[in-house]
Amino acid sequence: AQSVTQLDSHVSVSEGTPVLLRCNYSSSYSPSLFWYVQHPNKGLQLLLKYTSAATLVKGINGFEAEFKKSETSFHLTKPSAHMSDAAEYFCVALTGGFKTIFGAGTRLFVKA
Amino acid sequence: DAGITQSPRHKVTETGTPVTLRCHQTENHRYMYWYRQDPGHGLRLIHYSYGVKDTDKGEVSDGYSVSRSKTEDFLLTLESATSSQTSVYFCAISESAANYGYTFGSGTRLTVV
Repeated sequence: AQSVTQLDSHVSVSEGTPVLLRCNYSSSYSPSLFWYVQHPNKGLQLLLKYTSAATLVKGINGFEAEFKKSETSFHLTKPSAHMSDAAEYFCVALTGGFKTIFGAGTRLFVKA
Repeated sequence: DAGITQSPRHKVTETGTPVTLRCHQTENHRYMYWYRQDPGHGLRLIHYSYGVKDTDKGEVSDGYSVSRSKTEDFLLTLESATSSQTSVYFCAISESAANYGYTFGSGTRLTVV
């Protein structure tokens, strides 16, 4: 079965320290993968996407993600967290046609 | 969110009443989607449209219907609202079959009492 698993429901970091949000996928196909961010009372905003080009994908606001086929992972990272990064993050897989699978989300807390 | 608006932003309705949510886009995108977001479930697809008058069901379509009579508008109707339909509803658009990612609206918070 196709699935997206975000390994942490909550992540807490201090401002200025690195961020790592983990995502594993399971798919019969080579998927397109996305990370979205959702700030409180807002819609989801696309951070970055992987569509079988470069395995290291750079997104907005200093985020990047690396596609590792051998590990079926697409972890999101940022070298230095900012207070404005506090939000919920969703890993999403598009496996074919309209089969879009959302992870359950990871809430990122950033401490001053 | 630029190019896509949802109305109303908030609504409280009584069980058994019909409710229509509207999604309006100015991007001329072919594909439009309705999702619901609930704690612990992430986002789940209700219905989607791939053109005017062309719609199909998603994974949680029971109790919902949609219509798309113009490219820019995608309506979601709850024929007889139930408390289990209390949720935040998001509309999304995409230029192609989602390979470029979605643009989401700001959401409609619906409470059924």
